[in-house]
Amino acid sequence: DQQVKQNSPSLSVQEGRISILNCDYTNSMFDYFLWYKKYPAEGPTFLISISSIKDKNEDGRFTVFLNKSAKHLSLHIVPSQPGDSAVYFCAASGAGTASKLTFGTGTRLQVTL
Amino acid sequence: DTAVSQTPKYLVTQMGNDKSIKCEQNLGHDTMYWYKQDSKKFLKIMFSYNNKELIINETVPNRFSPKSPDKAHLNLHINSLELGDSAVYFCASSQDLGVYQETQYFGPGTRLLVL
Repeated sequence: DQQVKQNSPSLSVQEGRISILNCDYTNSMFDYFLWYKKYPAEGPTFLISISSIKDKNEDGRFTVFLNKSAKHLSLHIVPSQPGDSAVYFCAASGAGTASKLTFGTGTRLQVTL
Repeated sequence: DTAVSQTPKYLVTQMGNDKSIKCEQNLGHDTMYWYKQDSKKFLKIMFSYNNKELIINETVPNRFSPKSPDKAHLNLHINSLELGDSAVYFCASSQDLGVYQETQYFGPGTRLLVL
């Protein structure tokens, strides 16, 4: 039972354009959402997060949007840079399971010149 | 000056063997985790320890036994290895437990291949 889904396994975007990565979840108990970035042969690194009391969180070029009614979140990267090429994982946690992160399967982003 | 380190990075072994993966964090964190990323790229939590106490055990076979000698270390011992144990195992740590805004910091992973 996959509670966090990233339906696009890969995405290719030109440098300077916007990258939009999507994530859907099924568990209505999730109330905190995170994005992690992973380079080959490295562990995931935290990128940005959002609490369910917000619908948007911005950090530099990265913005996460949360639509609770649709159980959907997205990560926007503007402008995209070649160094952003990596696998992006969406993760979620719920009240009472504070440390337990449920991850999606990741989306591989390639930013082309 | 690695924050979360794992040894070994690669591990190739035969079915039925017993192996250990070590994890150390120098961040002064209280909580450590083991995750498994299988061939389908699912990254799933296996265990978490807080101050050397087991907090999360996600119905992992009892062939897997985590051991935390101190707050900075969480080792994973696997008995009677099976083909399905082949995966990438990630160790992670966070400052605290119960404060879900805490970022988890991951190690580089250990790639285990069981032949």
